[in-house]
Amino acid sequence: DIQMTQSPSAISASVGDRVTITCRASQDIRHYLAWFQQKPGQVPKRLIYTASTLQSGVPSRFSGSASGTEFTLTISSLQPEDVATYYCLQHHDYPRTFGQGTKVDIK
Amino acid sequence: QVQLQQWGAGLLKPSETLSLTCGVVGGSFSAYSCSWIRQPPGKGLEWVGEYSYSGTITYNSSLMGRVSISMDTSQKQLSLTLTSVTAADTATYFCTRGWGYWGQGSLVIVSS
Repeated sequence: DIQMTQSPSAISASVGDRVTITCRASQDIRHYLAWFQQKPGQVPKRLIYTASTLQSGVPSRFSGSASGTEFTLTISSLQPEDVATYYCLQHHDYPRTFGQGTKVDIK
Repeated sequence: QVQLQQWGAGLLKPSETLSLTCGVVGGSFSAYSCSWIRQPPGKGLEWVGEYSYSGTITYNSSLMGRVSISMDTSQKQLSLTLTSVTAADTATYFCTRGWGYWGQGSLVIVSS
C-alpha cells in the first residue's frame, strides 16, 4: 500500500500568515494527488486536484505543488474561514489512501 | 448542478448488515470513478472501495469478504453493503463521484 505521511498534524497561525502542509508519498504517485478541506460537521471539499490544479470556486490563496513524492498545500494568507482539517489523497493506486490530516486553527 | 444524495439505515446492531445508497441528481455516475469513504467519529478519512469508470470494483482489503459495492443499470445509484458489522464500523459514510462531488454523509452507529 502507498503510505501518505502528512505533516504537521496541527498548526496554529495568525490571520495573514502563510501556512504550508506537506504530504510525502511512500512511492511514485505521479500527480494523482488531491487536497481536501473539511470543516467541523461538514463534508470534505476538494481544493486541489492533480497536485496543483485549483478547483473552480476555491480562493486563489490556496495552491498546491509537487516535487517528486513530496506534495505541498499552501495557504498564502490565512483567513478565519480557513479553520479546518486538511487531508491529502493519493488516487494513483489501490488502495486509495489519505494522509492523517492537519488541523489548522487561528492563533 | 450535480448533487449526491445518500440514504440508508443509521442504527444497527452488531452482526447486522449496513446498506447505503447514493443517488445522483443532475447527472450520472457514468464515466466517473465513484468511491465510498468512511470517517469514524473524531478520526480521519478511510477509503472503503471504488466502482471505477470502467466498471471495475476494488475494495479496501481490511474489509474484504464483508463489503460489496454495486451500480444500478441507469448509472444513477451506487450502493454499499457491509455485512457482520461491529462497533468498529461506526462512522459517517460518504459517497463521492470523481472526488469532486460528495454526498451529505450518513452516520451509521453500531450498538447493541
